Amino acid sequence: SQQGEEDPQALSIQEGENATMNCSYKTSINNLQWYRQNSGRGLVHLILIRSNEREKHSGRLRVTLDTSKKSSSLLITASRAADTASYFCATGRKGGSEKLVFGKGTKLTVNP
Amino acid sequence: DAMVIQNPRYQVTQFGKPVTLSCSQTLNHNVMYWYQQKSSQAPKLLFHYYDKDFNNEADTPDNFQSRRPNTSFCFLDIRSPGLGDAAMYLCATSRDLDSSYNEQFFGPGTRLTVL
Repeated sequence: SQQGEEDPQALSIQEGENATMNCSYKTSINNLQWYRQNSGRGLVHLILIRSNEREKHSGRLRVTLDTSKKSSSLLITASRAADTASYFCATGRKGGSEKLVFGKGTKLTVNP
Repeated sequence: DAMVIQNPRYQVTQFGKPVTLSCSQTLNHNVMYWYQQKSSQAPKLLFHYYDKDFNNEADTPDNFQSRRPNTSFCFLDIRSPGLGDAAMYLCATSRDLDSSYNEQFFGPGTRLTVL
């Protein structure tokens, strides 16, 4: 299965701390995307990193991709209580498939 | 603002009673997707439309059907809901099919309860 697996499944930190979530996958990919989901809501796209990129930044978010290890990490710096949500990685298969395969997600709780 | 809208946000149906969930988009995107997400699980793709071309996932039960009468609207029909179909149903769109470049835009979801 191509499905990404996030690690850890749950993470609880204090406001101001950094949060790091990891994603591993099994097959060759075109890109890897990170999404955020607030409780009971739809997913919001955060960032897309292509297979030929190693690192990408967007505001307080930093994503890395290591295709040799088939893994990615999402770092949220200076976390806020509003960052509390589930975070999913999704992989787009090499070959241009339109299908994204989502991992099970990391549930992040940021305590004020 | 351009967006993906799902109605209703909450739907309660009875075991075996057909139900239709709707999704509309103002993004003018070519592709529309339906996902099923159960509690604490990953969203699972049921099917997608590229324009009018329908693409069913191999493991999507026959109980689930979809219609896309025009670019803006897409419907999910569950012909005979079972207790196991209780879930959040997410509609998403993307501009085109190449996942290398296209993020997906999600609606807020419809939470389906089956009694």
